[in-house]
Amino acid sequence: AQTVTQSQPEMSVQEAETVTLSCTYDTSESDYYLFWYKQPPSRQMILVIRQEAYKQQNATENRFSVNFQKAAKSFSLKISDSQLGDAAMYFCAFSSGSARQLTFGSGTQLTVLP
Amino acid sequence: DAGITQSPRHKVTETGTPVTLRCHQTENHRYMYWYRQDPGHGLRLIHYSYGVKDTDKGEVSDGYSVSRSKTEDFLLTLESATSSQTSVYFCAISELTGGLRFSTDTQYFGPGTRLTVL
Repeated sequence: AQTVTQSQPEMSVQEAETVTLSCTYDTSESDYYLFWYKQPPSRQMILVIRQEAYKQQNATENRFSVNFQKAAKSFSLKISDSQLGDAAMYFCAFSSGSARQLTFGSGTQLTVLP
Repeated sequence: DAGITQSPRHKVTETGTPVTLRCHQTENHRYMYWYRQDPGHGLRLIHYSYGVKDTDKGEVSDGYSVSRSKTEDFLLTLESATSSQTSVYFCAISELTGGLRFSTDTQYFGPGTRLTVL
């Protein structure tokens, strides 16, 4: 069974600064995907970024990038130039197998300070 | 926008009553999922479907059943609701985005249903 751990229940960052959210996972599989989802107060789950395990290059999406360390089973999210709209709960998630079901971490609540 | 709707969006019911939540998609996705979200647990998989009439259990399936009689609808039923099933329920679909080593599916979520069982 897969497990996903987010060890930072809460974090804060000053507007325009950079913040890194941590995620570790445990699996015996070699082919899988990793995701970061954002959940603002509206409750909608929004995909932020996706990483395929077989790709060595770290994924980037505008101000969002990941640091994927496969051997260490670590998948952190870096948010650059933080904006007030980035304030949300962030979930790390793992996906594998033909059914593609997701296993989620418990989330990190990010506060952006003006 | 993956074209996913959930109904109802909010529901309050009493212990012991049956409840059915509906997930509707408009883009013919093969995979559909039901998750529940509780404080401190993130989202946990209840059931999923990989085609019409093809379903399987997830991590927290006890007390829930599902049905998928047509591609666009995936129903989650609580046969006899309990207070422990008070939660926010999310439906998701898998979006096929490529054909590399294997499907690079990405899950997209509906808006959620807040269910309160008194």
